[in-house]
Amino acid sequence: DSGVTQTPKHLITATGQRVTLRCSPRSGDLSVYWYQQSLDQGLQFLIQYYNGEERAKGNILERFSAQQFPDLHSELNLSSLELGDSALYFCASSVDTGPSSYEQYFGPGTRLTVT
Amino acid sequence: DAKTTQPPSMDCAEGRAANLPCNHSTISGNEYVYWYRQIHSQGPQYIIHGLKNNETNEMASLIITEDRKSSTLILPHATLRDTAVYYCIVRVGYNAGNMLTFGGGTRLMVKP
Repeated sequence: DSGVTQTPKHLITATGQRVTLRCSPRSGDLSVYWYQQSLDQGLQFLIQYYNGEERAKGNILERFSAQQFPDLHSELNLSSLELGDSALYFCASSVDTGPSSYEQYFGPGTRLTVT
Repeated sequence: DAKTTQPPSMDCAEGRAANLPCNHSTISGNEYVYWYRQIHSQGPQYIIHGLKNNETNEMASLIITEDRKSSTLILPHATLRDTAVYYCIVRVGYNAGNMLTFGGGTRLMVKP
């Protein structure tokens, strides 16, 4: 158990819809990261938040957005869903201090299926 | 960040040591080597990291060559539960943005 929780575990929705994925980081971790894993793209970084502020952005689509709340949990919002958005979405957290910032702890993921 | 090269797959007998190589010949002086693994469809799991000295923890050992151009992750007594994809990642110790970049990794199959 990494200490990172994600809900829901599975999500099935239709094209054009909007969903929200939720992540609670490990206690004490200020950084939250979102990654997407699809069959053809592998694991890809989407976005990082540190203590409520956006820190870095990867190849995140404009239809996707995220935020980190004062209690440090984070939400990833995916809108106007397309079939190609079907993937595993992982959240990870870390302390943000030097080399240990890359010692990231991943949640179990949310499997999104768009039909 | 330095690029890494790993063999796409390896087999190991249960109970034997699994030695997973990683080439990072363009690594620079302030870049660390990190190892993660992903057991089928689970979240990636941090294993170990190092700069230039060999490192050991309860999961594995990391051996970095003196010129730092390659490293080896050693699982001393592989079990069936160690079957996973292993990723070698090189990152600067700290910068604005701490994302991990996962390549193809090595698919390790531990066989009975």
